[in-house]
Amino acid sequence: AQSVAQPEDQVNVAEGNPLTVKCTYSVSGNPYLFWYVQYPNRGLQFLLKYITGDNLVKGSYGFEAEFNKSQTSFHLKKPSALVSDSALYFCAVRRRGGSQGNLIFGKGTKLSVKP
Amino acid sequence: DTEVTQTPKHLVMGMTNKKSLKCEQHMGHRAMYWYKQKAKKPPELMFVYSYEKLSINESVPSRFSPECPNSSLLNLHLHALQPEDSALYLCASSRGQGVEAGELFFGEGSRLTVL
Repeated sequence: AQSVAQPEDQVNVAEGNPLTVKCTYSVSGNPYLFWYVQYPNRGLQFLLKYITGDNLVKGSYGFEAEFNKSQTSFHLKKPSALVSDSALYFCAVRRRGGSQGNLIFGKGTKLSVKP
Repeated sequence: DTEVTQTPKHLVMGMTNKKSLKCEQHMGHRAMYWYKQKAKKPPELMFVYSYEKLSINESVPSRFSPECPNSSLLNLHLHALQPEDSALYLCASSRGQGVEAGELFFGEGSRLTVL
């Protein structure tokens, strides 16, 4: 069965410190990988995606993600966290050649950045 | 600012009411989606429209009825809902298939409460 795991329900970081939000996946083949962010009472916003090529992908708001094929991971990172980064983060994967809508979301990780 | 507009932002309805949620996008996207999201959970796919035709129905109860009048509009008609249907309903769109179907543009959602 295809799945996405975000092992941490919550990540707490001090402002200015680096942050990592973890994601691992179990999907056949070489899937497309995505990160979304959801601020309170808002819809999801696309942050970044991995298709192929360089394992380090840069996205919006200074976020980046590192793809590791051997570990089937796609961790979200940011060198210096901001209080405004506090939100709910979802990792998602989509199997290549899959039908539209076949986007599998992780359960989400709440990021809390304290001043 | 989101380019997918959803109305109303909030809706309270009784179990015997009939109401509709509306979604509009003017990005020329040819795929549109309805998702249901419970608090602190990932979005759950309900329906996908591709080129104005229903392509995916994730076994959603018939009390939810989608409609795509044209390529820019998506409606979700609600009738005889249950209290457990209370949730945030998210509309999304994407450019097309392949990796683009994983890069979704979400509206801010319609928060539905069923009494």
